Amino acid sequence: KNQVEQSPQSLIILEGKNCTLQCNYTVSPFSNLRWYKQDTGRGPVSLTIMTFSENTKSNGRYTATLDADTKQSSLHITASQLSDSASYICVVIFNTNAGKSTFGDGTTLTVKP
Amino acid sequence: DAGITQSPRHKVTETGTPVTLRCHQTENHRYMYWYRQDPGHGLRLIHYSYGVKDTDKGEVSDGYSVSRSKTEDFLLTLESATSSQTSVYFCAISEGGNTEAFFGQGTRLTVV
Repeated sequence: KNQVEQSPQSLIILEGKNCTLQCNYTVSPFSNLRWYKQDTGRGPVSLTIMTFSENTKSNGRYTATLDADTKQSSLHITASQLSDSASYICVVIFNTNAGKSTFGDGTTLTVKP
Repeated sequence: DAGITQSPRHKVTETGTPVTLRCHQTENHRYMYWYRQDPGHGLRLIHYSYGVKDTDKGEVSDGYSVSRSKTEDFLLTLESATSSQTSVYFCAISEGGNTEAFFGQGTRLTVV
């Protein structure tokens, strides 16, 4: 069964600090892995998309890594801001014809002043 | 929000009544998706469409039907709403199955 597990479930950090969110998956076949940010009451917004051959991809203060051998990904947030408070969702696409995917439950990040 | 509009944004309905949620896009994207999001679960795919009148089931399709009579509209129908269908429903669009997906604002549905 395809699964995506994210850790930690929730995280509280102080503004300006860095943090790393983890994503482990057992999805097959693998097409690509995505990280989304979801603010409370809004739809998810794409941060990064990584294919099998990509190890690292950055989007501003967000850097995602992918180790396809160990089936692990991480999202590193640098110099956190209050606006980074959100849920971060890891998604693995396994059927590109249909865009079918398996979503993780997300990590809820709270950035405090 | 990438030209996606979901309506209504909030709805309360009674058990056993039919409900239709609408997703409208102005991006001319080929793929459209309906997901539900519940506490303790990641987003789960209900149905998707890969073109006008071309639809297929997702992982939690029981109790739901969809229709896509034109590119810009994707309708999700609950034929007879049940309390287990209380959820937040998201529509998403993408140009292809392997391209970035854009999500709508969501519809909060409560079945009492």
